Amino acid sequence: DQQVKQNSPSLSVQEGRISILNCDYTNSMFDYFLWYKKYPAEGPTFLISISSIKDKNEDGRFTVFLNKSAKHLSLHIVPSQPGDSAVYFCAAIEGGQNFVFGPGTRLSVLP
Amino acid sequence: EAGVAQSPRYKIIEKRQSVAFWCNPISGHATLYWYQQILGQGPKLLIQFQNNGVVDDSQLPKDRFSAERLKGVDSTLKIQPAKLEDSAVYLCASSSRVSLAGLIGTQYFGPGTRLLVL
Repeated sequence: DQQVKQNSPSLSVQEGRISILNCDYTNSMFDYFLWYKKYPAEGPTFLISISSIKDKNEDGRFTVFLNKSAKHLSLHIVPSQPGDSAVYFCAAIEGGQNFVFGPGTRLSVLP
Repeated sequence: EAGVAQSPRYKIIEKRQSVAFWCNPISGHATLYWYQQILGQGPKLLIQFQNNGVVDDSQLPKDRFSAERLKGVDSTLKIQPAKLEDSAVYLCASSSRVSLAGLIGTQYFGPGTRLLVL
């Protein structure tokens, strides 16, 4: 049973446009959510996080939105740059434990 | 600040053999995690240590996998005996704090060890 889902395996976006990566979860006890970026042959790198008591968190070009009622979060990257091309993982945490990652979405930003 | 170190980077073994992976977390980080990432999937948490105590090992296949974190610093993950389905990247991560208040310390990942079981 996948508790964290990323239904789009891949996404292609033109440079300068907005990239929207989506994530859905089933466990209503998750209280913290994170996004990671991963380049080939490297470990994931933390991007941005959001607590379940908030609905938006922004850091530069990256914004995460959380819709608790829909159990849905999204990562917006604007403007998208070629260096953003990577695999993006959504992760959720319950009570500081039970870290669960989604399967990832491969983003390709085309010049 | 030095990152999370892992060794070896690559390992090829035959099924039923044993293998061990080593992780050195970022200095001062109390929490250490081992993940298994199978190709095409997200990382799956195997075990979480807080200092040298185990916080969560619910997804660790304990009949063949073992992990320890002596003295609350370095950690080793062992597989004995290995199976074909253990082929994956094994990621180690560390963070400075984890609290029930939701103040999660950012996890810093190492480069991983790629294991191929033939």
